Amino acid sequence: NAGVTQTPKFQVLKTGQSMTLQCAQDMNHEYMSWYRQDPGMGLRLIHYSVGAGITDQGEVPNGYNVSRSTTEDFPLRLLSAAPSQTSVYFCASSPLRVGRYEQYFGPGTRLTVT
Amino acid sequence: AQSVTQLGSHVSVSEGALVLLRCNYSSSVPPYLFWYVQYPNQGLQLLLKYTTGATLVKGINGFEAEFKKSETSFHLTKPSAHMSDAAEYFCAVSETQGGSEKLVFGKGTKLTVNP
Repeated sequence: NAGVTQTPKFQVLKTGQSMTLQCAQDMNHEYMSWYRQDPGMGLRLIHYSVGAGITDQGEVPNGYNVSRSTTEDFPLRLLSAAPSQTSVYFCASSPLRVGRYEQYFGPGTRLTVT
Repeated sequence: AQSVTQLGSHVSVSEGALVLLRCNYSSSVPPYLFWYVQYPNQGLQLLLKYTTGATLVKGINGFEAEFKKSETSFHLTKPSAHMSDAAEYFCAVSETQGGSEKLVFGKGTKLTVNP
């Protein structure tokens, strides 16, 4: 099992550009989520999904879009990058009851917006 | 909404000393509680969790945590620090709203272990 994979590892964008961060898991987990990690802020939930075709907003959803067409994939789209979106992004997955079960995290994507 | 407070953004201990990382949560209803560890330039991995049952929970690498409902706390301890314990530690609690579950993370505590 590869677990949770994320691409790319690093990305530099100019303000206004768009891009998609990829996330995939091979554990057949229903629940997938995206977090951003900023110094001194911990992890903040951006969007999450409880299954294919179902997504919902987390704590900091503005400027990001998601979709979930398959169980395995959960891409995060930045529509028009801003310097405030400079961060490390983590994708995670777990069995449906995320409150009870371990979340498995990907290695992260470090994004810089200039 | 749930909130998680980790007291001390940086904790420094000597190798062999006791490690104590503090976590308090806001809910009056006992939630599910987790500690995750993040080594430099890596994702998070689960250290231990409390769901139900015994309030003293043992995790990997010699860490343990005790759920104290009366104090709304879930502090993480290790009797003897090792250099390899240097990492950032995050406390997290579950939150259920509108039928969906999420994890709420604390801001993290960076542990430094001095030789």
